[in-house]
Amino acid sequence: GENVEQHPSTLSVQEGDSAVIKCTYSDSASNYFPWYKQELGKGPQLIIDIRSNVGEKKDQRIAVTLNKTAKHFSLHITETQPEDSAVYFCAASIGNNRLAFGKGNQVVVIP
Amino acid sequence: GAVVSQHPSWVICKSGTSVKIECRSLDFQATTMFWYRQFPKQSLMLMATSNEGSKATYEQGVEKDKFLINHASLTLSTLTVTSAHPEDSSFYICSAKLGQAPQPQHFGDGTRLSIL
Repeated sequence: GENVEQHPSTLSVQEGDSAVIKCTYSDSASNYFPWYKQELGKGPQLIIDIRSNVGEKKDQRIAVTLNKTAKHFSLHITETQPEDSAVYFCAASIGNNRLAFGKGNQVVVIP
Repeated sequence: GAVVSQHPSWVICKSGTSVKIECRSLDFQATTMFWYRQFPKQSLMLMATSNEGSKATYEQGVEKDKFLINHASLTLSTLTVTSAHPEDSSFYICSAKLGQAPQPQHFGDGTRLSIL
């Protein structure tokens, strides 16, 4: 089955700097890759996603890149702000319905 | 758009009680709904997948008689934890998805279940 690995597990950045989280996946059939942000005590919130026919997607300060050959995708957050502090989960599609999630990455933005 | 409401957000009850959690898609019709369980500082663990009008598909190791799932309409799914015990205490989160192709899952805000 699909195996999604996410690293680093914890990332601390100075406010204003960029943060990058990387994920790798094992199943070459996966074709949809969302990223979720989870704040304490809340459910995950979709922040950006990318499909396998696209190499990069950007939405304001957030971007995602996908390398299908290497089977990895990354989340880039620029000009980080304290409200970006949260746990971020990557995921890869399994068939048409399910998602395989990474273990999560705690991002801490230091003011 | 794509709002999923989960209720209640927090439940504390005695051991042996059955607890029902509701998950509603407020502004779209969810073809499929999912129930997850999350332990502190861990990832999401899929418990079951449900489609409207059909029986839920449970993941290996999840007791279907313990965690009853009903998906009566395209906007409502319920999870009932029957005869709950302290080991069932956890954060339960639902998500909803539109359509058959790979699409975003939209999550509710979770239910914190504490069994005394």
